[in-house]
Amino acid sequence: GDSVTQMEGPVTLSEEACLTINCTYTATGYPSLFWYVQYPGEGLQLLLKATKADDKGSNKGFEATYRKETTSFHLEKGSVQVSDSAVYFCALSDRTGRRALTFGSGTRLQVQP
Amino acid sequence: NAGVTQTPKFQVLKTGQSMTLQCAQDMNHEYMSWYRQDPGMGLRLIHYSVGAGITDQGEVPNGYNVSRSTTEDFPLRLLSAAPSQTSVYFCASRSTGTSEETQYFGPGTRLLVL
Repeated sequence: GDSVTQMEGPVTLSEEACLTINCTYTATGYPSLFWYVQYPGEGLQLLLKATKADDKGSNKGFEATYRKETTSFHLEKGSVQVSDSAVYFCALSDRTGRRALTFGSGTRLQVQP
Repeated sequence: NAGVTQTPKFQVLKTGQSMTLQCAQDMNHEYMSWYRQDPGMGLRLIHYSVGAGITDQGEVPNGYNVSRSTTEDFPLRLLSAAPSQTSVYFCASRSTGTSEETQYFGPGTRLLVL
């Protein structure tokens, strides 16, 4: 079945450092890929998405590129802020009738001032 | 729009008790689903529905029932709670009539079963 693998956390960075959170996937067909963010005590919010190979999703300074050849969708940001501290989930959406999201285990990011 | 709403925010149950977690959306989305979030495991699909009157099982359906009598509401029932059902539960919805695949999540219900 489909699966998503994320790098283990927590990731601790200083403000203005570069961020990369690795995400690889296994899926049949051509899924859509997502990054969701969960701030403390809140639900999940869509951060960015990509629906086909070589698409780049971007939002709030975060970027991720759909790499079909390496089955990856790594999340990057050039300069993190304290307000970026959250848990980040990589997910894929199957295109069957179930239309469900398959999530990675999440990566906690802690940004220190 | 309120988006996806869930009640209650927090609940404590004793083993064997039953309860219903409520979920509602005001976006006229056909598709609704329930996930549970456990530490180190991401979110796992419990049940989903592609429209009123249609439900199906997800990855971890045992111990949970659902029904979908209206487009707006999708309650999740625990018939006899067990400590293994201690988790955070999220409801989500999305449109199915377009290519838009984004799912919108509620704020979650934290459930503790003693």
